[in-house]
Order: sequence, then C-alpha cells, then structure tokens
Amino acid sequence: SSELTQDPAVSVALGQTVRITCQGDSLRNYYASWYQQKPGQAPLLVIYDKNNRPSGIPDRFSGSSSGNTASLTITGAQAEDEADYYCNSRDSSGNHRVVFGGGTKLTVL
Amino acid sequence: QVQLQESGPGLVKPSETLSLTCTVSGGSISSYYWSWIRQPAGKGLEWIGRIYTSGRTNYNPSLKSRVTMSVDTSKNQFSLKLSSVTAADTAVYYCARGIGYCTSTSCYYAFDIWGQGTMVTVSS
Repeated sequence: SSELTQDPAVSVALGQTVRITCQGDSLRNYYASWYQQKPGQAPLLVIYDKNNRPSGIPDRFSGSSSGNTASLTITGAQAEDEADYYCNSRDSSGNHRVVFGGGTKLTVL
Repeated sequence: QVQLQESGPGLVKPSETLSLTCTVSGGSISSYYWSWIRQPAGKGLEWIGRIYTSGRTNYNPSLKSRVTMSVDTSKNQFSLKLSSVTAADTAVYYCARGIGYCTSTSCYYAFDIWGQGTMVTVSS
C-alpha cells in the first residue's frame, strides 16, 4: 500500500510528552518527514530523515521509526505546538509518488 | 534564504485550465526537484507532482491525465497546468522544494521550503 495513516486527533497537557504516529508500508523503506501546520499558514518541516531538525526547530521535537510506523514526539509540549501535523514519505512501489498522511490535530490542554 | 511565491488566477471556470507559476528567489532553481501540493479547505495535503530542473517530471497517478508541469531556469520559475478543472480542484495550492537522500538501507524525502500558498476557486 502507498497510503499513510495518522490518528485524526491527539491531545496533551501543557508540558507533557506526546507521540504522534504515522503508519504505512512505505515507511519500511523511507523515513517519514513531519510537518507542522497552523491555521492559515503553509506547512513547516519539523523532522526529516532519521531524526533531523531544520534550523530553528526546537529540540523538543524528535522523530523515530520502527517497522511500518514512524513517530513524532514532542517532549514538553508548549501552547504554540497546537497545530495540525502531517507525515510524508515516498511511495516505495517505484512509481515516484509522494504520499502524505491524513494529518493529526494536536490540542494542547 | 530561498523563498517561493505562487502566482496565478484565483478563480477558474469549470472545464478550463488552472495555471500557476512559482517563482524561486534568494537562490538557484537548479539541482532540485520542485513540487506542487494542494489542500482543500479543512482537508489534508495532496501531492500533485514534481519537476526537476532538467524538465523530468513525476505526477500523482490520480491527476496524471490532467497535469502538466514545466520549468524555466532562466526565470527561476516552474509552473503547473491542471486541465478540465471541477469544483473538486478548489484548494490552496502550494509550491515546495523537495530534498531527499538514499543510503543502502533507507531513504527520506521531504519538502523543506514552501510557498505561502495561493487559493484557487473553481466556479462559474
């Protein structure tokens, strides 16, 4: 399958740790990349490759992977982390297609 | 730093062709894959396709029959044409730069720079 599956919504108490997951067959060959999107804004890359953060992304964001599941972990969630989060990878079937997960709405309580 | 800016009509009539251009500033368009991604209101992201600066393209199979992408390296621009549009094509359209790498055991592919997005409405 070339699809990526995410939980539609996740919540976390302020300052606590939250894990957002992404499942798909392509993740056995591709590391997921993760994006944060706030209302009215373009997506922002927060994690790519095994666990790399672009410049300016806080180190409370981290990525991991096991089998067909990738995870984005926010350690010590802040109010400004409330956003939609999307994962993506390449389709590993050889057709060069890029796929996105359906997105997870993170609420910080 | 590299910035992307989408431009084009915000309103397209059904059955006509949607045309958008993305201008790359602050850096060269060369040696990267450049993608178009769209997002209907309240929904998720959908990859439309990508073009390399050589002109090589890959399209989403679900849209392939209607999509054409081109690149103009002299203007640091790349473009999207989506034909025979319907209301289902109404969305915010983003252009983005693709980065990626493969080792012997794994790969990644990401979009590290995005345009601000442009809203395109299909309506008569």
